[in-house]
Amino acid sequence: NAGVTQTPKFRVLKTGQSMTLLCAQDMNHEYMYWYRQDPGMGLRLIHYSVGEGTTAKGEVPDGYNVSRLKKQNFLLGLESAAPSQTSVYFCASSSTSGGALREQYFGPGTRLTVT
Amino acid sequence: GEDVEQSLFLSVREGDSSVINCTYTDSSSTYLYWYKQEPGAGLQLLTYIFSNMDMKQDQRLTVLLNKKDKHLSLRIADTQTGDSAIYFCAESMDSGGYQKVTFGTGTKLQVIP
Repeated sequence: NAGVTQTPKFRVLKTGQSMTLLCAQDMNHEYMYWYRQDPGMGLRLIHYSVGEGTTAKGEVPDGYNVSRLKKQNFLLGLESAAPSQTSVYFCASSSTSGGALREQYFGPGTRLTVT
Repeated sequence: GEDVEQSLFLSVREGDSSVINCTYTDSSSTYLYWYKQEPGAGLQLLTYIFSNMDMKQDQRLTVLLNKKDKHLSLRIADTQTGDSAIYFCAESMDSGGYQKVTFGTGTKLQVIP
């Protein structure tokens, strides 16, 4: 049981390049999330998904797209990277069981630098 | 709207108690959480409290909730160097059938040997 995994762990992009971050979970969780973490700003939600085939915007969605074609995978895309997207990106998942308790399980993060 | 605030940094000596504070704005929170992030890793749930509770104790951890003042605190007794990490407060609330979770900015706890 690997939990939540993210690939790649590190990446350096030039401005204007594109890339896709992959998140996978093996816990059969319905909900999945993408966050970015920046110094002094905590975690900010980019996009989330409440089930296979569905996605929704979070707090800071501009410049990102997502897809959830399979329940276990949640992809985050940057079509044209900008230096402001330099950050650490975390994927998380949570179950719908347990009532309103929403423990989120986090991946190890992807450190992205855009030059 | 919802906003979760924490101080950015706390330094304590090994063996002392640590108290990390958090304020939130949404009175309809269902659960409040404390997550721990160790260096180079993702967040892990440390403990949580249901909104109708005032206190929860779990070994060295004590969570206090003051709903009137919208204040949440995490006390770590006998703080150890292994407790050095960033601690995030979070709240969840119903948002059209979806439990929305909002994280605070995180408090970096430094434990001095």
